[in-house]
Amino acid sequence: NAGVMQNPRHLVRRRGQEARLRCSPMKGHSHVYWYRQLPEEGLKFMVYLQKENIIDESGMPKERFSAEFPKEGPSILRIQQVVRGDSAAYFCASSPFPENQPQHFGDGTRLSIL
Amino acid sequence: DQQVKQNSPSLSVQEGRISILNCDYTNSMFDYFLWYKKYPAEGPTFLISISSIKDKNEDGRFTVFLNKSAKHLSLHIVPSQPGDSAVYFCAASARGSSNTGKLIFGQGTTLQVKP
Repeated sequence: NAGVMQNPRHLVRRRGQEARLRCSPMKGHSHVYWYRQLPEEGLKFMVYLQKENIIDESGMPKERFSAEFPKEGPSILRIQQVVRGDSAAYFCASSPFPENQPQHFGDGTRLSIL
Repeated sequence: DQQVKQNSPSLSVQEGRISILNCDYTNSMFDYFLWYKKYPAEGPTFLISISSIKDKNEDGRFTVFLNKSAKHLSLHIVPSQPGDSAVYFCAASARGSSNTGKLIFGQGTTLQVKP
């Protein structure tokens, strides 16, 4: 039973480019969460999605960031026109029932902006 | 606004002794608490959780204690092993009709267990 899969593990972009981060949840999990960890900080919630729906995007920056979780395929976190401050580790987590089941995390994508 | 705080950035204990990691929270709506362990270059690994209807939950060497009146929880690891050396994150969630299940994390405590 594969865990949460994220790719790429490392992504390097130049300022102004686009970054696409992918997340495949654990089998049977339909709830996906994205978190961001800046250096020396804890994880910060960004967005919560169920299949084809964004449920809570209260932690997502208003501009340049978007997320989707299509009916088929992985969840995608997209960052347009990246800036240096976007450099961070981005983690995806999934859960079958967030009300009473823990979230399980992938190993993250480390995004570096040149 | 740091709703979940881990005030000790680091902790060092001797192998075989008890490790106690602490966490404080401010939001009285939080009713589900979790501890995660994280190694460098890996994602957080779920360790143990506790619902606010309980004050203690135990799983092997790991026990979590919840003091709702003090808005404080702690993770006890007994006996500590060198492999326990990692960063430990406390997280909290407010469940309910408007809940989205998002986790609010503390800043983490780096535990070092010395052989």
